[in-house]
Amino acid sequence: AQKVTQAQTEISVVEKEDVTLDCVYETRDTTYYLFWYKQPPSGELVFLIRRNSFDEQNEISGRYSWNFQKSTSSFNFTITASQVVDSAVYFCALSEWGSRLTFGEGTQLTVNP
Amino acid sequence: NAGVTQTPKFQVLKTGQSMTLQCAQDMNHEYMSWYRQDPGMGLRLIHYSVGAGITDQGEVPNGYNVSRSTTEDFPLRLLSAAPSQTSVYFCASSYSRGGEQYFGPGTRLTVT
Repeated sequence: AQKVTQAQTEISVVEKEDVTLDCVYETRDTTYYLFWYKQPPSGELVFLIRRNSFDEQNEISGRYSWNFQKSTSSFNFTITASQVVDSAVYFCALSEWGSRLTFGEGTQLTVNP
Repeated sequence: NAGVTQTPKFQVLKTGQSMTLQCAQDMNHEYMSWYRQDPGMGLRLIHYSVGAGITDQGEVPNGYNVSRSTTEDFPLRLLSAAPSQTSVYFCASSYSRGGEQYFGPGTRLTVT
């Protein structure tokens, strides 16, 4: 069965600090997809990134970067120079069969001014 | 495009009442899903559909029914509401297996 673990329940940082959100997953499939979603205080779910299991290249998008390592079954998310607007709950998710997402429990990030 | 829409946004039910949460998408996506979000538990899959006429159970299907008569609509029915079904419900759609899921704004349901 697939499983996603986000061990950090809450993280608090001061603005401009870098912060890494950890995600560890379990799956028996060789083909799978990993995702990160952001849920700001307003409650909607915002898609951030999708990665398939055959693409281990790290990705950078502005202040966001993702580190995918199959050897350790991890898909970590780093925010560089954090801002108050980054305060949100961040979810890592795994899909073995495409349409079924298994979410981690989420990490509440608070960025203080 | 309106994307994924859900109605109502808020609902209060008494124990034993039934109701239908509506979900519609205008992106011609084949895949649609229903999730519930409870504090500290992330989102859990209730039911999903891979196309019109095809549905299947997710992780927490008990107490809920779904049907998919059209590509656009995927309603979720609560048969006899219980306080344990107090939650925020999200509908999502995706263009393909493995594609990112687009979420609706959610329905906050309280069962007293």
